[in-house]
Amino acid sequence: NAGVTQTPKFQVLKTGQSMTLQCAQDMNHEYMSWYRQDPGMGLRLIHYSVGAGITDQGEVPNGYNVSRSTTEDFPLRLLSAAPSQTSVYFCASSSSGGLRDTQYFGPGTRLTVL
Amino acid sequence: RKEVEQDPGPFNVPEGATVAFNCTYSNSASQSFFWYRQDCRKEPKLLMSVYSSGNEDGRFTAQLNRASQYISLLIRDSKLSDSATYLCVVNLDYWLTGGGNKLTFGTGTQLKVEL
Repeated sequence: NAGVTQTPKFQVLKTGQSMTLQCAQDMNHEYMSWYRQDPGMGLRLIHYSVGAGITDQGEVPNGYNVSRSTTEDFPLRLLSAAPSQTSVYFCASSSSGGLRDTQYFGPGTRLTVL
Repeated sequence: RKEVEQDPGPFNVPEGATVAFNCTYSNSASQSFFWYRQDCRKEPKLLMSVYSSGNEDGRFTAQLNRASQYISLLIRDSKLSDSATYLCVVNLDYWLTGGGNKLTFGTGTQLKVEL
């Protein structure tokens, strides 16, 4: 049982490039989400999904797309990278999105946009 | 005003000391509350949920004061391994957010336990 996995661990992009951050979980969790963590800002929600085929925007969705074709996978796409997207990205999952559910986080992807 | 506010620290304490962290939240519709622990360059992990009556897990005690919109975490007999950043996390009412977890994270309080 690997929990939540993310790839890559590190990535450097040039401004304007696109890429996909991968996230997968093997716990059969319905709820998955993406956060970014910046110094002095706390984690901020980018997008989330309450189940396969259903996604919605979080607090800071601009510049990012998501899709959820399977329960296990929730990739995050950067459409045209900008230096402001330099951050640490965490994917998280929980069983049903309930108020008291534990969020399980992946190890993170450290992204630098030059 | 930030939705969840924490003293960033760092709190430097000797091993064996008792240390307390405080957190305030601004949205009175918040329904559930947590403390997460984050080690340097690692992902956050749940430390404990916080219940209205207060709850304890070994050396850790969490308290919630809804009237004052205030959450606390007390660590007794600090260990070197407690050194980490402690994140206060608040969850809004499910129906107000249109479904799903809308967790709001504080920026964290850094704890350094020293010999």
